[in-house]
Amino acid sequence: QVQLVQSGSELKKPGASVKVSCKASGYTFTNYAMNWVRQAPGQGLEWMGWINTNTGNPTYAQGFTGRFVFSLDTSVSTAYLQISSLKAEDTAVYYCARVYDSSGYSDHWGQGTLLTVSS
Amino acid sequence: AIRMTQSPSSFSASTGDRVTITCRASQGLSSYLAWFQQKPGKAPKLLIYAASTLQSGVPSRFSGSGSGTDFTLTISCLQSEDFATYYCQQYYSYPYTFGQGTKLEIK
Repeated sequence: QVQLVQSGSELKKPGASVKVSCKASGYTFTNYAMNWVRQAPGQGLEWMGWINTNTGNPTYAQGFTGRFVFSLDTSVSTAYLQISSLKAEDTAVYYCARVYDSSGYSDHWGQGTLLTVSS
Repeated sequence: AIRMTQSPSSFSASTGDRVTITCRASQGLSSYLAWFQQKPGKAPKLLIYAASTLQSGVPSRFSGSGSGTDFTLTISCLQSEDFATYYCQQYYSYPYTFGQGTKLEIK
């Protein structure tokens, strides 16, 4: 069965960096792109962008350029989200979510990774 | 960016009720719309894609309709496990925006 398992919660200080992992299993990793979605505390869902797992080419939504980087390690079927120069407003749950059949929508989601940025 | 507006933002209903949630897009999407259910502390779950196609394993009491700019999610007979927050998302053009969510609570 398809599974996306994300790394655990993180507590970081402002200015630090973090790298969230999303390990896929149960399907051929490079056949399906990966979306990243943010959910701030008590708020709705926000699409951050996606990465083509075949080419490694990322696409970022406005507001997620510069400090946010999507990457892959296809040898271990894992996608990564790195955020640098962390700010308090980056505090949120971050989800990876498989893109079904190049369509754009996500059919399977990771469990989420809570990032807390606080001094 | 395409703006997605859901209505209502929240409402109360009872088990057995028929409920409808509306999602309106600021421009036409054809049928590139998905619906998700999210329970507290959990990841979203795909219910409907292509505006009206039920995802495998989702109960048939869920249905979706619409095209262009106006879409609806209907739950025909509410069950206790359906009390959650529902989101629509367009995947017609970047960025793939979500609606603000509709919180369905028990009356």
